[in-house]
Amino acid sequence: GQSLEQPSEVTAVEGAIVQINCTYQTSGFYGLSWYQQHDGGAPTFLSYNALDGLEETGRFSSFLSRSDSYGYLLLQELQMKDSASYFCAVSRSNYQLIWGAGTKLIIKP
Amino acid sequence: KAGVTQTPRYLIKTRGQQVTLSCSPISGHRSVSWYQQTPGQGLQFLFEYFSETQRNKGNFPGRFSGRQFSNSRSEMNVSTLELGDSALYLCASSSASGRQGSGANVLTFGAGSRLTVL
Repeated sequence: GQSLEQPSEVTAVEGAIVQINCTYQTSGFYGLSWYQQHDGGAPTFLSYNALDGLEETGRFSSFLSRSDSYGYLLLQELQMKDSASYFCAVSRSNYQLIWGAGTKLIIKP
Repeated sequence: KAGVTQTPRYLIKTRGQQVTLSCSPISGHRSVSWYQQTPGQGLQFLFEYFSETQRNKGNFPGRFSGRQFSNSRSEMNVSTLELGDSALYLCASSSASGRQGSGANVLTFGAGSRLTVL
């Protein structure tokens, strides 16, 4: 079957760095995406990795290792506004998206 | 350009009724997906339409159905509502061109339709 695992909750301090991991098990893997969702809001796209390696977008970076079926989202210089839920999602070759259950990021001052 | 528009934003129904939710995707986007989200839960995939054809379907009962029109607008319908159907229903569109590519994987979500079943 298809599955994704990510921690349910992560706590970090403002200004610090935090890494949210995502491991997946699926056939027909095509790529890994990350989305951010604030309470009461809609998910917004953060990044997409189809190839191994690190993709950087400002304070956010996303990493993928296809051989390890593993990826992570790295958030640097954490700000209070980064408090949100973060979802990883696997794209499959049949256009299906498989979603993780989400990681709630709590940032303390 | 305009984002993904979902209507209505809020609605209250009673058990046994049916409901239709509407989604207008970003202009030029041909793929529309629907998701159900309950408090503290992740995104549960309902179905995805591309060029008026259902391309993928989640594990929801047949009471949940959808369709896509030639202008890419989509509707989803839930019949015989149950209390457990109370949720935020999210629609997302993407520029999927029928071929896999990075654009196919960037979903733009609407603000959602919050359904309460009493």
